[in-house]
Amino acid sequence: EVQLLESGGGLVQPGGSLRLSCAASGFTFSSYAMSWVRQAPGKGLEWVSAISGSGGSTYYADSVKGRFTISRDNSKNTLYLQMNSLRAEDTAVYYCAKDLSPYTTVTIPVDYWGQGTLVTVSS
Amino acid sequence: SYVLTQPPSVSVAPGQTARITCGGNNIGSKSVHWYQQKPGQAPVLVVYDDSDRPSGIPERFSGSNSGNTATLTISRVEAGDEADYYCQVWDSSSDHPYVVFGGGTKLTVL
Repeated sequence: EVQLLESGGGLVQPGGSLRLSCAASGFTFSSYAMSWVRQAPGKGLEWVSAISGSGGSTYYADSVKGRFTISRDNSKNTLYLQMNSLRAEDTAVYYCAKDLSPYTTVTIPVDYWGQGTLVTVSS
Repeated sequence: SYVLTQPPSVSVAPGQTARITCGGNNIGSKSVHWYQQKPGQAPVLVVYDDSDRPSGIPERFSGSNSGNTATLTISRVEAGDEADYYCQVWDSSSDHPYVVFGGGTKLTVL
C-alpha cells in the first residue's frame, strides 16, 4: 500500500525557514517523480515544485523560485522541500504527491497524496 | 504563463449530468487531468490524459478535450459527488516547464 507521510510544518516568522519531509513507502520510490502542492486556507490547489525520480530534474512555480528547493534521498525514500525567506502568502497546507507513472519526464498526473502538513507564516 | 479557467460553481440535481469546463489557450493540444477534493481531504485523481480513469473511479466520470475547452462530465450525479474539482495541465511551452491548476469548481448536488 502506497503511503506518503509529510512532516516539518509549523509556525514560522516571516523571513524564516522550514524544511518539509515526505516519507514514502509501498512503491519503488526512485522510479517516480514527486511533487509538492499547496493549498492556502479556503483557496484552491497551487502546484509548488516537482522532481524527477533520479533527482536530476527539478521544476518550480514562479511564486517560489529562488526561495524553495526540492530534493530527494532515494536511499531513504524521502522527499524534501527546503523553504527559505518565507512570506505570509506561503501559509498553506503542503501536500506531497506521487506521479501516476514511472520513468516519465512529465511529473503529472499524481495518483497518491499525503495527508498534508500545515505551514503558517506569521509574526 | 498558461492560465486555466473554471467556473466557480456548478449545480445539478441528483441523477442528472454535471459538466465542468476548463478553458485554456489551445488546451486541446495538452493532456488534461482532473481531481476531486472533498472538504478536509486530499485530492483524488478522477480522470487523466483527457479521458482515462484510474482504477476504482466509477464509469460515471468521463472527460473530453478539444480546442480551447476540456470538460469533466459526471453522469447520474450522486450526493457523494459533491466536492471541488480541479483541472491540471503540464505546460512545456517555455524553457522551464511547470504545472498549472485551474481555480477549481465547486459542484453542488441540489
